[in-house]
Amino acid sequence: GESVGLHLPTLSVQEGDNSIINCAYSNSASDYFIWYKQESGKGPQFIIDIRSNMDKRQGQRVTVLLNKTVKHLSLQIAATQPGDSAVYFCAENNSGGYNKLIFGAGTRLAVHP
Amino acid sequence: DSGVTQTPKHLITATGQRVTLRCSPRSGDLSVYWYQQSLDQGLQFLIQYYNGEERAKGNILERFSAQQFPDLHSELNLSSLELGDSALYFCASSVEQRSTEAFFGQGTRLTVV
Repeated sequence: GESVGLHLPTLSVQEGDNSIINCAYSNSASDYFIWYKQESGKGPQFIIDIRSNMDKRQGQRVTVLLNKTVKHLSLQIAATQPGDSAVYFCAENNSGGYNKLIFGAGTRLAVHP
Repeated sequence: DSGVTQTPKHLITATGQRVTLRCSPRSGDLSVYWYQQSLDQGLQFLIQYYNGEERAKGNILERFSAQQFPDLHSELNLSSLELGDSALYFCASSVEQRSTEAFFGQGTRLTVV
């Protein structure tokens, strides 16, 4: 598969532990945020989204937290599994009306058995 | 499978040449986005079309152009190719113009030699 972001920050966790991936976004006017997962050789895959009128949203094994005061987004993955190993990107909608997702640099999650 | 189809999967071409990348969005999606992903730049938004019209533009070079056809498929044209244009090019689609989950294709890997 393709290697994405050879110099990405890496978070290493043990299988079964909880993972927290952080992201700082740039525009205080952004009102929509998405977390994507990208496995080697594949396109980004939607995980969860959140709008700026919320500070927390939960999905299956994942939770996104939004702190607008400090422009910070986090993705929490419960009971991390080897299949969660991937690069994770946060994206913000920074378009003033149209979709123009701006992606963060990404974090590589490595899950060890 | 996201439902977004990109062709070709791989493309190798020489500097100075022109190539066309094709994207078929998910059934029912009216918005198409193009992104470039290189190792040192992450995912960079290039351009968005909605129902045949250009809606948002990112850091797209003048040598690059795109269009969306009446059947909603889109093409990204890259001309006067340079070595630095080597990257993964992703297409994504969504139902609406803004602030919605965008589904990504598997990408086209362009190598300029």
